[in-house]
Amino acid sequence: DTGVSQDPRHKITKRGQNVTFRCDPISEHNRLYWYRQTLGQGPEFLTYFQNEAQLEKSRLLSDRFSAERPKGSFSTLEIQRTEQGDSAMYLCASSLAGTGSNQPQHFGDGTRLSIL
Amino acid sequence: KQEVTQIPAALSVPEGENLVLNCSFTDSAIYNLQWFRQDPGKGLTSLLLIQSSQREQTSGRLNASLDKSSGRSTLYIAASQPGDSATYLCAVSQTYKYIFGTGTRLKVLA
Repeated sequence: DTGVSQDPRHKITKRGQNVTFRCDPISEHNRLYWYRQTLGQGPEFLTYFQNEAQLEKSRLLSDRFSAERPKGSFSTLEIQRTEQGDSAMYLCASSLAGTGSNQPQHFGDGTRLSIL
Repeated sequence: KQEVTQIPAALSVPEGENLVLNCSFTDSAIYNLQWFRQDPGKGLTSLLLIQSSQREQTSGRLNASLDKSSGRSTLYIAASQPGDSATYLCAVSQTYKYIFGTGTRLKVLA
């Protein structure tokens, strides 16, 4: 068990550029989640996958955001035409599927995005 | 809509003190509640998970309780140490996603 891995750890880009983040979950976990955390706040849910199927997207996820999980393994989160308000820590988590969502979520160290 | 509140927002204590962090939530229909620790610039480390049918969980110097009917959870830290300094977050699960509080920033002074 190597834990949830996220890449890159930090990303600095100019407003209007596109960025892509990667998350590698714990290998046997079939659920994968993306959250966003701004300074001084708790993480907010963005989207969720069970295997390769994206089952829910938060209203926070505008049309500029897209997430994929091909083959139910790693996931990518892409932000197009970045804006200042996109600056945040993007956290990925994974878990086993359990009855009533009783399985704990394990988080990666996040990708910190800074928009200049 | 579920809302999670954590009190206090910040806490500074001398080393060795026992302390209690509070978490309250507005909708008691939860599957579980999880306490996390977050160091500056880092991700979340799971501390304790309490299922909705449980009243408390313990791990080392940490004890978390859950009172679903009143919408409250507490995290008790015994004999605090400077290494306990971090932000502590509680999160409740109603489906597959967590709703987080804004955290308690703890500083333990040597």
